[in-house]
Amino acid sequence: DAGVTQSPTHLIKTRGQQVTLRCSPKSGHDTVSWYQQALGQGPQFIFQYYEEEERQRGNFPDRFSGHQFPNYSSELNVNALLLGDSALYLCASTDGPYNSPLHFGNGTRLTVT
Amino acid sequence: ILNVEQSPQSLHVQEGDSTNFTCSFPSSNFYALHWYRWETAKSPEALFVMTLNGDEKKKGRISATLNTKEGYSYLYIKGSQPEDSATYLCAFMNSYDKVIFGPGTSLSVIP
Repeated sequence: DAGVTQSPTHLIKTRGQQVTLRCSPKSGHDTVSWYQQALGQGPQFIFQYYEEEERQRGNFPDRFSGHQFPNYSSELNVNALLLGDSALYLCASTDGPYNSPLHFGNGTRLTVT
Repeated sequence: ILNVEQSPQSLHVQEGDSTNFTCSFPSSNFYALHWYRWETAKSPEALFVMTLNGDEKKKGRISATLNTKEGYSYLYIKGSQPEDSATYLCAFMNSYDKVIFGPGTSLSVIP
Protein backbone atom coordinates (compact mmCIF):
# COMPACT_ATOMS: atom_id res chain seq x y z
CA ASP A 1 0.00 0.00 0.00
CA ALA A 2 1.83 3.07 -1.28
CA GLY A 3 1.91 6.04 1.01
CA VAL A 4 2.04 9.66 -0.08
CA THR A 5 4.61 10.24 -2.80
CA GLN A 6 6.03 13.58 -3.86
CA SER A 7 8.22 14.60 -6.77
CA PRO A 8 10.78 15.86 -7.31
CA THR A 9 12.78 15.39 -4.11
CA HIS A 10 14.94 18.45 -4.66
CA LEU A 11 14.68 21.40 -7.01
CA ILE A 12 16.78 24.48 -7.68
CA LYS A 13 15.19 27.44 -9.44
CA THR A 14 16.07 31.04 -10.18
CA ARG A 15 14.14 34.08 -8.98
CA GLY A 16 11.23 34.87 -11.28
CA GLN A 17 10.87 31.32 -12.58
CA GLN A 18 7.86 29.09 -12.13
CA VAL A 19 7.79 25.66 -10.47
CA THR A 20 5.39 22.72 -10.31
CA LEU A 21 5.47 20.18 -7.50
CA ARG A 22 3.54 16.93 -7.62
CA CYS A 23 1.86 14.71 -5.05
CA SER A 24 0.11 11.35 -5.16
CA PRO A 25 -2.04 10.67 -2.09
CA LYS A 26 -2.16 7.50 -0.05
CA SER A 27 -4.41 4.86 -1.57
CA GLY A 28 -8.01 5.47 -0.56
CA HIS A 29 -7.48 9.14 0.33
CA ASP A 30 -9.38 11.83 -1.55
CA THR A 31 -8.24 15.02 0.20
CA VAL A 32 -4.83 16.60 -0.37
CA SER A 33 -3.30 19.56 1.43
CA TRP A 34 -0.02 21.40 0.90
CA TYR A 35 2.30 22.92 3.49
CA GLN A 36 5.39 25.11 3.36
CA GLN A 37 7.99 24.49 6.04
CA ALA A 38 10.68 27.12 6.42
CA LEU A 39 13.69 26.58 8.64
CA GLY A 40 12.83 26.76 12.33
CA GLN A 41 9.09 26.92 11.79
CA GLY A 42 6.25 24.46 11.78
CA PRO A 43 4.54 23.61 8.49
CA GLN A 44 2.39 26.49 7.21
CA PHE A 45 -0.89 25.55 5.54
CA ILE A 46 -1.08 26.63 1.88
CA PHE A 47 -4.33 25.07 0.66
CA GLN A 48 -6.43 21.95 0.55
CA TYR A 49 -8.08 20.20 -2.39
CA TYR A 50 -11.11 17.93 -2.38
CA GLU A 51 -13.15 16.77 -5.38
CA GLU A 52 -10.82 18.75 -7.65
CA GLU A 53 -11.66 22.04 -5.93
CA GLU A 54 -9.74 24.25 -3.54
CA ARG A 55 -11.66 23.96 -0.28
CA GLN A 56 -9.52 25.91 2.16
CA ARG A 57 -6.62 28.34 1.72
CA GLY A 58 -4.00 29.70 4.08
CA ASN A 59 -2.34 33.12 4.00
CA PHE A 60 -0.38 32.67 0.80
CA PRO A 61 -0.38 35.01 -2.22
CA ASP A 62 -2.03 34.17 -5.52
CA ARG A 63 1.38 33.19 -6.89
CA PHE A 64 0.66 29.89 -5.16
CA SER A 65 -1.93 27.87 -7.02
CA GLY A 66 -2.88 24.26 -7.22
CA HIS A 67 -4.84 21.60 -8.94
CA GLN A 68 -6.33 18.22 -8.11
CA PHE A 69 -6.89 15.59 -10.77
CA PRO A 70 -9.69 12.99 -10.99
CA ASN A 71 -7.32 10.35 -9.57
CA TYR A 72 -6.88 12.63 -6.49
CA SER A 73 -3.25 13.46 -7.25
CA SER A 74 -2.35 17.11 -6.91
CA GLU A 75 0.04 19.78 -8.13
CA LEU A 76 1.33 22.90 -6.44
CA ASN A 77 2.41 25.71 -8.75
CA VAL A 78 4.40 28.72 -7.67
CA ASN A 79 4.88 31.61 -10.11
CA ALA A 80 7.40 34.46 -10.04
CA LEU A 81 9.59 32.72 -7.49
CA LEU A 82 11.15 34.76 -4.71
CA LEU A 83 14.16 33.91 -2.58
CA GLY A 84 11.76 33.60 0.36
CA ASP A 85 9.95 30.74 -1.34
CA SER A 86 12.92 28.50 -0.57
CA ALA A 87 11.53 25.87 1.79
CA LEU A 88 10.46 22.28 2.20
CA TYR A 89 7.04 21.73 0.61
CA LEU A 90 5.03 18.94 2.18
CA CYS A 91 1.98 17.25 0.78
CA ALA A 92 -0.44 15.43 3.06
CA SER A 93 -3.49 13.34 2.34
CA THR A 94 -6.43 12.25 4.42
CA ASP A 95 -9.64 10.35 3.92
CA GLY A 96 -11.89 13.18 4.89
CA PRO A 97 -13.00 14.54 8.21
CA TYR A 98 -11.08 16.81 10.54
CA ASN A 99 -10.50 14.04 13.06
CA SER A 100 -8.53 11.92 10.58
CA PRO A 101 -4.74 12.09 10.81
CA LEU A 102 -2.71 13.60 7.99
CA HIS A 103 -0.41 11.26 6.07
CA PHE A 104 2.63 13.13 4.79
CA GLY A 105 5.01 12.63 1.91
CA ASN A 106 8.74 13.14 2.29
CA GLY A 107 8.54 16.62 0.81
CA THR A 108 10.18 18.58 -2.00
CA ARG A 109 13.12 20.79 -1.05
CA LEU A 110 12.92 23.94 -3.19
CA THR A 111 15.89 26.28 -3.36
CA VAL A 112 15.48 29.62 -5.12
CA THR A 113 18.69 31.40 -6.08
CA ILE B 1 -4.27 35.67 13.82
CA LEU B 2 -4.42 32.18 15.25
CA ASN B 3 -1.27 31.10 17.03
CA VAL B 4 -0.16 27.68 18.20
CA GLU B 5 2.79 27.64 20.57
CA GLN B 6 4.95 24.79 21.78
CA SER B 7 7.39 24.63 24.66
CA PRO B 8 10.15 24.00 25.16
CA GLN B 9 11.71 24.72 21.77
CA SER B 10 14.27 21.97 22.33
CA LEU B 11 15.05 19.40 24.96
CA HIS B 12 18.00 17.11 25.72
CA VAL B 13 17.36 14.20 28.07
CA GLN B 14 19.24 11.11 29.17
CA GLU B 15 18.06 7.69 28.06
CA GLY B 16 15.51 6.43 30.58
CA ASP B 17 14.31 9.88 31.64
CA SER B 18 10.66 10.76 31.30
CA THR B 19 9.76 14.05 29.68
CA ASN B 20 6.83 16.15 28.60
CA PHE B 21 6.07 19.00 26.20
CA THR B 22 3.28 21.56 25.99
CA CYS B 23 1.15 22.73 23.09
CA SER B 24 -0.95 25.89 23.57
CA PHE B 25 -3.73 26.81 21.19
CA PRO B 26 -6.74 29.15 21.01
CA SER B 27 -9.54 27.82 23.19
CA SER B 28 -12.38 29.05 20.96
CA ASN B 29 -13.94 27.13 18.06
CA PHE B 30 -11.97 23.99 18.78
CA TYR B 31 -12.32 21.04 16.39
CA ALA B 32 -9.29 18.80 16.90
CA LEU B 33 -5.71 18.68 18.13
CA HIS B 34 -3.13 16.52 16.36
CA TRP B 35 0.32 15.37 17.50
CA TYR B 36 2.98 14.32 15.00
CA ARG B 37 6.50 12.94 15.34
CA TRP B 38 9.01 14.01 12.70
CA GLU B 39 12.25 12.11 12.55
CA THR B 40 15.17 13.40 10.52
CA ALA B 41 15.02 12.41 6.85
CA LYS B 42 11.51 11.01 7.23
CA SER B 43 8.01 12.41 6.87
CA PRO B 44 5.89 13.51 9.84
CA GLU B 45 4.00 10.60 11.38
CA ALA B 46 0.71 10.98 13.22
CA LEU B 47 0.75 10.05 16.90
CA PHE B 48 -2.66 11.16 18.12
CA VAL B 49 -5.79 12.98 17.01
CA MET B 50 -7.75 14.33 19.96
CA THR B 51 -11.20 15.85 19.73
CA LEU B 52 -12.83 15.93 23.18
CA ASN B 53 -11.98 17.95 26.27
CA GLY B 54 -10.36 15.64 28.77
CA ASP B 55 -9.22 13.17 26.09
CA GLU B 56 -6.27 11.02 27.04
CA LYS B 57 -4.51 8.93 24.39
CA LYS B 58 -1.68 6.43 24.75
CA LYS B 59 0.58 4.62 22.31
CA GLY B 60 3.25 2.53 24.00
CA ARG B 61 5.42 4.84 26.14
CA ILE B 62 3.87 8.00 24.67
CA SER B 63 0.67 9.56 25.97
CA ALA B 64 -1.17 12.85 25.53
CA THR B 65 -3.84 14.82 27.34
CA LEU B 66 -6.14 17.57 26.12
CA ASN B 67 -7.75 20.58 27.81
CA THR B 68 -9.85 22.49 25.28
CA LYS B 69 -11.31 24.93 27.83
CA GLU B 70 -7.90 26.38 28.69
CA GLY B 71 -6.30 25.62 25.33
CA TYR B 72 -3.44 23.24 26.01
CA SER B 73 -2.28 19.70 25.40
CA TYR B 74 0.58 17.79 27.02
CA LEU B 75 2.63 15.04 25.38
CA TYR B 76 4.44 12.68 27.76
CA ILE B 77 7.21 10.22 26.95
CA LYS B 78 8.00 7.67 29.65
CA GLY B 79 11.50 6.18 29.80
CA SER B 80 12.89 8.02 26.75
CA GLN B 81 14.90 5.98 24.27
CA PRO B 82 17.34 7.21 21.58
CA GLU B 83 14.78 6.28 18.90
CA ASP B 84 12.41 8.87 20.44
CA SER B 85 14.74 11.62 19.19
CA ALA B 86 12.66 13.68 16.79
CA THR B 87 10.73 16.92 16.44
CA TYR B 88 7.26 16.71 17.96
CA LEU B 89 4.65 18.88 16.27
CA CYS B 90 1.19 19.72 17.47
CA ALA B 91 -1.47 20.99 15.09
CA PHE B 92 -4.75 22.71 15.92
CA MET B 93 -7.88 22.67 13.79
CA ASN B 94 -10.61 25.25 14.42
CA SER B 95 -12.42 25.22 11.09
CA TYR B 96 -13.13 22.36 8.83
CA ASP B 97 -9.83 20.92 7.55
CA LYS B 98 -7.54 23.98 8.03
CA VAL B 99 -4.70 22.77 10.27
CA ILE B 100 -2.39 25.20 12.09
CA PHE B 101 0.91 23.76 13.22
CA GLY B 102 3.06 24.86 16.12
CA PRO B 103 6.82 25.35 15.62
CA GLY B 104 7.65 22.00 17.22
CA THR B 105 9.72 20.71 20.13
CA SER B 106 13.02 19.10 19.19
CA LEU B 107 13.87 16.17 21.47
CA SER B 108 17.33 14.61 21.69
CA VAL B 109 17.72 11.50 23.83
CA ILE B 110 21.32 10.90 24.86
CA PRO B 111 22.31 7.22 25.22
